[in-house]
Order: sequence, then C-alpha cells, then structure tokens
Amino acid sequence: DAGITQSPRYKITETGRQVTLMCHQTWSHSYMFWYRQDLGHGLRLIYYSAAADITDKGEVPDGYVVSRSKTENFPLTLESATRSQTSVYFCASSGVDLSSYEQYFGPGTRLTVT
Amino acid sequence: GDSVTQMEGPVTLSEEAFLTINCTYTATGYPSLFWYVQYPGEGLQLLLKATKADDKGSNKGFEATYRKETTSFHLEKGSVQVSDSAVYFCALSDRGFQKLVFGTGTRLLVSP
Repeated sequence: DAGITQSPRYKITETGRQVTLMCHQTWSHSYMFWYRQDLGHGLRLIYYSAAADITDKGEVPDGYVVSRSKTENFPLTLESATRSQTSVYFCASSGVDLSSYEQYFGPGTRLTVT
Repeated sequence: GDSVTQMEGPVTLSEEAFLTINCTYTATGYPSLFWYVQYPGEGLQLLLKATKADDKGSNKGFEATYRKETTSFHLEKGSVQVSDSAVYFCALSDRGFQKLVFGTGTRLLVSP
C-alpha cells in the first residue's frame, strides 16, 4: 500500500509488558516522527528520525525506544508498558521540503495498557 | 520555546454558519504555519498551510492568513457543513527544523 501505515491499529496489553508499534512509509521520506495524542494535550512528539540510524528525543521520550535501520520503517517500543502510556499513537513522515516541512500522518494505533 | 494556542472547544454550529477558530503562536524564528484536520477515527490530514507573512492558505472552502504582526493564523469558513465536524489542529514549524509544534486542537460540531 502506498503512503504511511501503522500496525496494529488497536492493542491491549498489560502493565510491564513490552510492546512494539510499527510504522512503514513508501515515499522514502527522510524524516519520521512518533506522536502521542491525549485529551487536553494535543499531539506531543515522542521521538523523531532524520534518516536511517539517526534518531533524537522529542518532548516526551521517557519509557520509549526507537530504531531506524531502514528508511521506510520506524518502530516504537514501550519497554515496560505503564497505564500512563495508554494513548493514541501517530506516526508521521516528511520529505525534505525546505518551504514548509509538511508532515503526513498514519491512521494511528490505539494502545490500552491495563 | 515555540508554542501554539488555540481556542477551547467544542465549537458548536448549525449548518451554513460562519466558522472562526482562533490560533496564535509564539516562535523564536520565522515559522511556517499549518492547519490539520482529524476526522473521527482517522489520522491527521493537512488542511492548509502558509509559509510567509500575509500568505493566505486555502482548501475546501477554509482559509487562514498568516499575520505576523498579531502572530495569528485564524481558520475561517464561510458556510460550514455537517461533514466538517472534526478536530482542527493549528501547528507551526520553525525555519531549519522539521519538527511540528501543535496546539491542543479544537473540536467542531456542525448540526443539520
């Protein structure tokens, strides 16, 4: 499928478990991002990546790990899930558009930690 | 740091009413400004953008003008439809940075 996809779309996990959210884009965009969306906070940046093997922290990185061995994939791992990580997670990508830095979003993963 | 402030929602309107959603920003540089829309159960989609002062972004009947003097980027539509019901996010990206800073979102509810 063309574009940006996320899997799974829905996930329920228990406190303390490790869970990985997948993100895949077909545009060969350099930049990829992970956000979480919570009521009253809008979208907050967790991690981003400028290219394969280059990642950096965003606003709320604690408890999350990312990797980017291939340009098209950017998985997000919750090493030991906590209830506070219950949220909707969005992946996004961006090409090198020096005029505007427009980002394209995936459909989201709704994660519930019990 | 950079920030975006949007009006609190929900905004409730009748079909064909005029819409304004206020957005103001704080940025150290010279940002690009965006409005994204999120329909129920979906990801965010870019609605419109403006990259320099006095630019007007427009799409699907929505408009917003980049006002540097008032640091604002208010979203307007002359006649809303039920299908416009969604959450609208104002965002900025500062020059030289790929990161977006989002407002908290404003939910719009349009009734027939």
